[in-house]
Amino acid sequence: DTEVTQTPKHLVMGMTNKKSLKCEQHMGHRAMYWYKQKAKKPPELMFVYSYEKLSINESVPSRFSPECPNSSLLNLHLHALQPEDSALYLCASSQLLGLSGNTIYFGEGSWLTVV
Amino acid sequence: DAKTTQPTSMDCAEGRAANLPCNHSTISGNEYVYWYRQIHSQGPQYIIHGLKNNETNEMASLIITEDRKSSTLILPHATLRDTAVYYCIVRAEYGNKLVFGAGTILRVKS
Repeated sequence: DTEVTQTPKHLVMGMTNKKSLKCEQHMGHRAMYWYKQKAKKPPELMFVYSYEKLSINESVPSRFSPECPNSSLLNLHLHALQPEDSALYLCASSQLLGLSGNTIYFGEGSWLTVV
Repeated sequence: DAKTTQPTSMDCAEGRAANLPCNHSTISGNEYVYWYRQIHSQGPQYIIHGLKNNETNEMASLIITEDRKSSTLILPHATLRDTAVYYCIVRAEYGNKLVFGAGTILRVKS
């Protein structure tokens, strides 16, 4: 069973709305990730946080704004999205970056529909 | 991170072993082989990983060839619930990314 919890499970938002996706883990992990997955495609990395600091941004548009308020929480703020941003957004976490054989665990995802 | 090649899809009879191959001919000495699966509409689920030696856990076995250029994930007794997309991923020892390829669609049939 996953110990990465994502809310909401489903979100429908208009192109002018501001919304947020939330992710929480209580495994003591210090690295957290956001992935985006379009239908019938593999997940694609968006952001990586390490010790609450952004360490990787895969050239994601600024309408996606990540935030890591503490070691257990990860948010993805959404503003002025386009319909093509509709996708499954996956949060994941792992122990410290750089650990040998460091396993990444995923949440169940948040389904986002932009109308 | 090294690239992997997997068959697009495979079928397996329920109760039989499912053997999922993966080629990673450009793997480096410090790169691990990871396997994840994704059941429809769910998040990816970690299955197993290994470096050089064969590995086994409660879900599966991972067989890595001696030259490390290919591996096989074995689900010993496949059930209908094992129907999923299976991803073979090569990741650096100190890598902070997990880069997914297209994966293999495994269909377990009764």
